[in-house]
Amino acid sequence: QVQLVESGGGVVQPGRSLRLSCAASGFTFSSHGIHWVRQAPGKGLEWVAVIWYDGSKQCYADSVKGRFTISRDNSKNTVFLQMNSLSVEDTGVYYCGREDSVNWYVGHWGQGTLVTVSS
Amino acid sequence: QSVLTQPPSVSAAPGQKVTISCSGSSSNIGNNYVSWYQQLPGTAPRLLIYDNNQRPSGIPDRFSGSKSGTSATLGITGLQTGDEADYYCGTWDSGLSVYVFGTGTKVTAL
Repeated sequence: QVQLVESGGGVVQPGRSLRLSCAASGFTFSSHGIHWVRQAPGKGLEWVAVIWYDGSKQCYADSVKGRFTISRDNSKNTVFLQMNSLSVEDTGVYYCGREDSVNWYVGHWGQGTLVTVSS
Repeated sequence: QSVLTQPPSVSAAPGQKVTISCSGSSSNIGNNYVSWYQQLPGTAPRLLIYDNNQRPSGIPDRFSGSKSGTSATLGITGLQTGDEADYYCGTWDSGLSVYVFGTGTKVTAL
């Protein structure tokens, strides 16, 4: 079955960096785009970034553009989110999700990893 | 700040029907398919509706979706206490080249 497992979360000081990973299994990884979506404590879902199935294109939310970089290694069935210049506003649970169609929807989600930015 | 607007909360007695609206614009809902996500307390979101009105396997037909112009609607009939959750609409915004979620709606079975 489709499985997405996030890792790499933790506590980090403002201004520092963190790299999240999303390990996929149970499907043909190189055929699907992957999203990162985050949720601040007690808040709604906020889309962060997406990478195309072949890594040829990436799109970012304005709130992270220039600070975050999404990438993938199709040989390892893994997507990464490099987060630099972190601020307290980046605190939250980060989910990765599989793009299931050219019609744009996230069909499968991971369980999330918590990122806490605090001094 | 989300570009898709939803009511903060809706409620109804068990067994009744609720509807959740999602209002957008021509660059998002007006020209792209809408999906809906359910997030039960303390869990990851899950896909509820895709392509405006399609249900993934395993989603009961009590859940339905529709779209008209720049707005979309999620309907839940026969409301159950197990349906108490946050619900989000989502779609691609072609003008901004970003995916957008709605502001979220909390459903309560009174």
